[in-house]
Amino acid sequence: DTAVSQTPKYLVTQMGNDKSIKCEQNLGHDTMYWYKQDSKKFLKIMFSYNNKELIINETVPNRFSPKSPDKAHLNLHINSLELGDSAVYFCASSQTANTEAFFGQGTRLTVV
Amino acid sequence: AQSVTQLGSHVSVSEGALVLLRCNYSSSVPPYLFWYVQYPNQGLQLLLKYTSAATLVKGINGFEAEFKKSETSFHLTKPSAHMSDAAEYFCAVSDRGDTGGFKTIFGAGTRLFVKA
Repeated sequence: DTAVSQTPKYLVTQMGNDKSIKCEQNLGHDTMYWYKQDSKKFLKIMFSYNNKELIINETVPNRFSPKSPDKAHLNLHINSLELGDSAVYFCASSQTANTEAFFGQGTRLTVV
Repeated sequence: AQSVTQLGSHVSVSEGALVLLRCNYSSSVPPYLFWYVQYPNQGLQLLLKYTSAATLVKGINGFEAEFKKSETSFHLTKPSAHMSDAAEYFCAVSDRGDTGGFKTIFGAGTRLFVKA
């Protein structure tokens, strides 16, 4: 069974569209994250949730809106997509905020 | 605020040679330190972690890292490189941020090449 699964794996869309990426973890973890990895492999945290509550919200445009319906799910909705949003987005989870994170396979978003 | 510096964006070694990937951190409190590996088109997976127990930490696939507080370093080593070790390696530090909650940040990554 996949521990952290995110869908879709690939997403190609036009500028201005709205898209969502879904994430689910079956590890029973309390904390979930969204990370953005750019073309140079730099990994930056976007959001962190603990038990459905937003803990970390880095400097991310408000076009990005996370939603956590329960502690096993953390979805990412992106409005009005821009070329610069093209990246690989990783969902991750951890037992607590200072323990190791388990990552999903990533969603490669390409905005054309 | 914490930070992580990985020296060398690319490291190339021959198969069978020593692997040394460098990581320096800054943290105002005792940190938790991690090394992750990322294979092409995959997510990151944990290699090893330091959580204030033994300073020499052993991980998977023959990797180990030593926490040196005086040097604020957490370098990753492996005595003998294998072709399958070719990947991107990330050092990460987690400590209590300004708001009191834990926050993890990642280094810029080091790409390891292994030559036959």
